[in-house]
Amino acid sequence: AQSVTQPDIHITVSEGASLELRCNYSYGATPYLFWYVQSPGQGLQLLLKYFSGDTLVQGIKGFEAEFKRSQSSFNLRKPSVHWSDAAEYFCAVGDSSYKLIFGSGTRLLVRP
Amino acid sequence: ETGVTQSPTHLIKTRGQQVTLRCSSQSGHNTVSWYQQALGQGPQFIFQYYREEENGRGNFPPRFSGLQFPNYSSELNVNALELDDSALYLCASSFRGQGGYGYTFGSGTRLTVV
Repeated sequence: AQSVTQPDIHITVSEGASLELRCNYSYGATPYLFWYVQSPGQGLQLLLKYFSGDTLVQGIKGFEAEFKRSQSSFNLRKPSVHWSDAAEYFCAVGDSSYKLIFGSGTRLLVRP
Repeated sequence: ETGVTQSPTHLIKTRGQQVTLRCSSQSGHNTVSWYQQALGQGPQFIFQYYREEENGRGNFPPRFSGLQFPNYSSELNVNALELDDSALYLCASSFRGQGGYGYTFGSGTRLTVV
């Protein structure tokens, strides 16, 4: 069965520090992979997506993610975190019927 | 270009009642999907509508139903509300024909069942 695991429920980083959020997926075919961000009271905003090609994907707000098929991972990174990055981050895999399967999310807290 | 609009933003219902949530899709989009996001969890797929027909359904009982209208707006109806239906309900629209994954999410409807 298709699934997405985000092993970290909460992560706290200092402003200016680097960030890596982990995501592991289970999917039989070539996955379509996504990272979304959700601020309190808001919907989901797409940060980046991977369909095929270059395994290092650049997104908005300075985020990037790397697809590693051998590890079934799609980790999100940012070299320098800003206080405005504090939010909930969701990794998702898209199946062939255009359904998105989300992980349980990682809440990012940013220390001043 | 307008985004996805959901109404109402919040509502409170009593167990056993029925509720209708509404979604206006982004201009140019022809597909609408609904997701349920319980507190502290990721969104769960309820169903998707394309060309006014249900086109895929998640693990939700039949008391969850929907409609898509000719202008591509959509409704989510939930009958016989249960306490566990309390959640944020998200609507997402996209255009099938361009990969189908260009989803735009609305801000959601927060449903509380008491």
